[in-house]
Amino acid sequence: QKEVEQNSGPLSVPEGAIASLNCTYSDRVSQSFFWYRQYSGKSPELIMSIYSNGDKEDGRFTAQLNKASQYVSLLIRDSQPSDSATYLCAVTGTYKYIFGTGTRLKVLA
Amino acid sequence: NAGVTQTPKFQVLKTGQSMTLQCAQDMNHNSMYWYRQDPGMGLRLIYYSASEGTTDKGEVPNGYNVSRLNKREFSLRLESAAPSQTSVYFCASSPFYKRGGFQETQYFGPGTRLLVL
Repeated sequence: QKEVEQNSGPLSVPEGAIASLNCTYSDRVSQSFFWYRQYSGKSPELIMSIYSNGDKEDGRFTAQLNKASQYVSLLIRDSQPSDSATYLCAVTGTYKYIFGTGTRLKVLA
Repeated sequence: NAGVTQTPKFQVLKTGQSMTLQCAQDMNHNSMYWYRQDPGMGLRLIYYSASEGTTDKGEVPNGYNVSRLNKREFSLRLESAAPSQTSVYFCASSPFYKRGGFQETQYFGPGTRLLVL
């Protein structure tokens, strides 16, 4: 079992729709969770960080964390073509950051 | 404020050649990291430096060495490049790193694309 799992996609959504990206992790002691966006040929950039159970909203983005079920998700409301990218989930384990392989999102105009 | 910078942006090596990838950050961060990113494999940690003067192995350290030159700079050296080291290399930094507990966001440099023939 991979330590951090994401569906590779592509996830295709129409412009204006809600995109839902999911991530599961295996280390129960994980305490810090991050979503990064990576455009093709570019470096990852932080979208959201979340540390406690529940929802955290920032503009069109909402991160959701459920430690009991060991998953973290990212919702993108009113998706735009500019949101088309690969979204990486990162989880901190006992002593390091662990990244998922990413979900490719395509927003169709 | 340039954030995290990396040089070179792109490099072609022949098998057996050596090279050093340079990374610098101007955010006064204590911790720095080197990752490689390969298709379908995600970001994998090669080495990290929790603070100036310390370095530790990550998930895939074989074939690499690192030097934390000072608080700003963290270099990655390939002593004898192999085709399996063809990858995109990212340097990252964070304010600090501590074992266990909550961690801060990592900030990434633009990456170095390395091709080993």
